[in-house]
Amino acid sequence: EDQVTQSPEALRLQEGESSSLNCSYTVSGLRGLFWYRQDPGKGPEFLFTLYSAGEEKEKERLKATLTKKESFLHITAPKPEDSATYLCAVQAGNTGKLIFGQGTTLQVKP
Amino acid sequence: DAGITQSPRHKVTETGTPVTLRCHQTENHRYMYWYRQDPGHGLRLIHYSYGVKDTDKGEVSDGYSVSRSKTEDFLLTLESATSSQTSVYFCAISDYSYEQYFGPGTRLTVT
Repeated sequence: EDQVTQSPEALRLQEGESSSLNCSYTVSGLRGLFWYRQDPGKGPEFLFTLYSAGEEKEKERLKATLTKKESFLHITAPKPEDSATYLCAVQAGNTGKLIFGQGTTLQVKP
Repeated sequence: DAGITQSPRHKVTETGTPVTLRCHQTENHRYMYWYRQDPGHGLRLIHYSYGVKDTDKGEVSDGYSVSRSKTEDFLLTLESATSSQTSVYFCAISDYSYEQYFGPGTRLTVT
């Protein structure tokens, strides 16, 4: 069964304290791995797509990496505005259907 | 921001009544999706559409039906709402890249 597990469930950081979020997946035939950011009361906001092991994508303080079994979202020198829930999802097959993990809620304190 | 709107944004309804949620896009994307988001369950796919009049079931489709008569509109209907369908509903769209862009959500409460 296709599955996505994110850890930790919650993470508290001080401003400037770098860390990583993990997304482990089991899927038959990965077509893509997606990262989203979700603020309270809003819809998920697309961040990155990774397609193959070894691929990396960066956006401001965020960098996403992918291996054959997991993906990491590295946050470098976070700021309070980076506080949000980060969601990981995988796509298997050609239907576009995504399987989401339960998310990591990040809080960055000034 | 992707041009996606959802209506209504909030709704309170009684058990047993029919409810229809609307998703409207201005991006001309082929694929449209309906999700529900609940604490402890994350985002779960209800139904999706891969073209006008072409739809398929997702992970949690029981009690829901959908229709897509135009590219820009995707309707989700709860034929007879139950308390277990109290949730936040999100619509998403994608093109052939499968990167999904989400709407602002509809908070539905069934009393």
